Order: sequence, then structure tokens, then C-alpha cells
Amino acid sequence: GENVEQHPSTLSVQEGDSAVIKCTYSDSASNYFPWYKQELGKGPQLIIDIRSNVGEKKDQRIAVTLNKTAKHFSLHITETQPEDSAVYFCASSGYSTLTFGKGTMLLVSP
Amino acid sequence: ETGVTQTPRHLVMGMTNKKSLKCEQHLGHNAMYWYKQSAKKPLELMFVYSLEERVENNSVPSRFSPECPNSSHLFLHLHTLQPEDSALYLCASSQAPGGVNTEAFFGQGTRLTVV
Repeated sequence: GENVEQHPSTLSVQEGDSAVIKCTYSDSASNYFPWYKQELGKGPQLIIDIRSNVGEKKDQRIAVTLNKTAKHFSLHITETQPEDSAVYFCASSGYSTLTFGKGTMLLVSP
Repeated sequence: ETGVTQTPRHLVMGMTNKKSLKCEQHLGHNAMYWYKQSAKKPLELMFVYSLEERVENNSVPSRFSPECPNSSHLFLHLHTLQPEDSALYLCASSQAPGGVNTEAFFGQGTRLTVV
């Protein structure tokens, strides 16, 4: 089955800095790659996703890049703000259900 | 508001109790899921339902019993749980259980504590 590795497990940045979270996947048939943000006491919320026919997608301060050859995808957050502090999960799916990474706790200090 | 509602938000139960978690989605999706989220562990997929039929059961102990009476409702019946079952239980739904339509919407979760 699919295996998704996510790094780092914890990331601390200063407000205004950029943050990058990286994931790799194993199943070459995977074609959908969402990113979720989970705040304390809440369920994960989809923040951005990318499909395999696209190499990059951007939505304001967040962007995702996908390298299908290398089987890795990354989340980029620019101009980080304290409210970006949360746990972020990457995931992938092909013909089966989503497989999630272990999550990255992002801490943005004022 | 994500369109997926879970009740209760918090539940404390003894090991001999029987309780049920409820999930309702108002998104017109055909697939629903139960996930378990424990501290410092990845999201663990428990059950998948597609068009009210269970399509995946990831070796979950029989003390967890899912029920999907229709495409909008999903239950998780609990009995004789163990303290290690304490976790956040998340319900999710998506248009389809696989492929590019697996964009999943999660509920807020039920924080379960087994004492």
C-alpha cells in the first residue's frame, strides 16, 4: 500500500519567515495530494490540494509543489503569522483512500 | 462549519459502558470514514463506507462497530473499550472513496476518554 513520509515533525519559525514542509510518497499511481491544517481542538481542514497534472499551485500565502518523478510534494507558507501555528498533514491517494503523513507541528513566534 | 457534524464533542465512558458516536454530513457525499487520532500518532483509518456499504475495515477490534444507515449518517458503536482506546475520533466524508475525488471534509471530532 501507499506510504507517506512527512518532515519535519516540528518546525519553529519567526513571524514573517517562510515555512516549508516536505512529503514523499511511494505509490506511483497516486494522483491527488491534499494538505490539511489542524488547530487545537478541531478536525483537520483542507487548505490546498494539487492533482498530478499540475506542478505547482498557489493560494495567497500558501503554495504546493509536486515532483512526480521524484515522488515528493511540498507545502510552502510565506510571511508566516502566529495564526498559522497548527499541525499540518500531507496526504496522497490514487485508486484507494487517502494516506496521511504523520504531521508537522508548526510554531510561529511573534 | 465544514458540513460534517459530530456528536458528542466529548465523551467519558467506563470500560463496561456502551455508547455511540454520531456523524452527519450535509454535502451530498457518497463516502464516509471513521479515523482514530491518538497523541503523537498519525491518523489511523478505521472504516470506510461507500454508498452505505462498508468497503474497508482496517483490522479494527470488534469492540468498535460501525453503522451507516444512509449516505448522510454514520455511527460508531462502542462497547467494552480499553483505556488505550482514548483518542480523538474523527468522521470525514468525500465524494468518492478513491481517486481524485477523495477530497475529504472532516468533522470536529469526538474526544473520547475511557476510564
